[in-house]
Order: sequence, then C-alpha cells, then structure tokens
Amino acid sequence: GAVVSQHPSWVICKSGTSVKIECRSLDFQATTMFWYRQFPKQSLMLMATSNEGSKATYEQGVEKDKFLINHASLTLSTLTVTSAHPEDSSFYICSARVRDLAKNIQYFGAGTRLSVL
Amino acid sequence: QQPVQSPQAVILREGEDAVINCSSSKALYSVHWYRQKHGEAPVFLMILLKGGEQKGHEKISASFNEKKQQSSLYLTASQLSYSGTYFCGTEASGGSYIPTFGRGTSLIVHP
Repeated sequence: GAVVSQHPSWVICKSGTSVKIECRSLDFQATTMFWYRQFPKQSLMLMATSNEGSKATYEQGVEKDKFLINHASLTLSTLTVTSAHPEDSSFYICSARVRDLAKNIQYFGAGTRLSVL
Repeated sequence: QQPVQSPQAVILREGEDAVINCSSSKALYSVHWYRQKHGEAPVFLMILLKGGEQKGHEKISASFNEKKQQSSLYLTASQLSYSGTYFCGTEASGGSYIPTFGRGTSLIVHP
C-alpha cells in the first residue's frame, strides 16, 4: 500500500504556542488529504479536507482560524494548531486518498499526539 | 451520518472466530475496513463497492449487502495479531465520497 508519513509523532507544548504537523505522501501524489482528530477510544472525526493548491474545506464546528491547513504541493499538507490550549490536546491523524479505478482508498499517517500543558 | 458498529467489544481466545457488523442509514457507495492498534494509525484492510462484494484478506473477509446498507467483517481462526480496534468507514452514494467512520469495535485476542 501507499505510505503516508506524519511528523512529529508526539508534541508537548505550552498553552498559547502554535504547533505545526506535517503529512507527506512518500511514494505517490495526493491531490486530496484529510485531517482527523481522535479522542481516546473514540472514532475518527474528520476536521477538514485539504486540497492541493486551494483552500481547505472544513467540517462544521471546526474553527478555520484555529486549525490552519496548507496543501502547498502534491505530497505535503500541514496542519497548524494556533494558540493551542489544553482542550486541543488530542490525537491528530492525516490521510491521503488514492483513487484506484472506482475505489477511493485512504492511507493514514501514524498520527501526532498533541499534549498542551 | 456515522455508521453504527456492533458489537462494541469482543474478547476471543486464539483460534476463535468473530464477526463485526457495520450498518448505515444511508444508501452506500462503498464500505472501508481498517484496523487500528493503540497509539498507531489505522491500517487499511479492504474496501467493498456496491454490488454485493465479498472479499478476503488472509483469514479476514468481508461482505457488503447494499440493500440492507450493511457490511460484516469476518475474522476466522483469530491470531494474537488481530487484536486492535476495527473501524468501518462508509461512503454514501451521491455524496462527497469521503468516508464517515463508525465508533469502532475493540477486539482482544487472548492466547
């Protein structure tokens, strides 16, 4: 399967700082990437769809100014959590979509655990 | 709308079988199945398209009943490595083709 690299895997930061998370497709081009948030023992909640060369599409209830997404190239999308607060602590996972005939398969990065003190 | 998975949790001994179900209130285009181990990313298992597909992946197989808007994941002769949380993701017909994930089914396989 396709490989998606996510970095860093764990971040601990002070309240009020900004954190950038990178998501790279290593062996394929991804025009569309997705950012998810996952709370302990919960499902994957889609935050936004990242489109290469255009603005991200955010899900209802997700603050655009809080979670900045940039998809500058066909292999890189970044999520910046601005002015992070303890309630932003969570597991953030990116994925890239690969279209194989009529199938849209998502390959996930390893996730980033964010802890805001 | 989030698909409903059942059961919430399953505990098995090695070699036993399990079935995990996923149902949706919407007409579906496809169903995805993933397995996630604690603290790791979900790993793609398989995708089934409408048309009543049934697929196999080693001793893990799945079926998709389009009319019932349901999919089932079958784990036979379970191994310790099968432990994890299984998520189904459903793509609605005529939608954006972005899967919505269920709450997951936790599977624990004991020696």
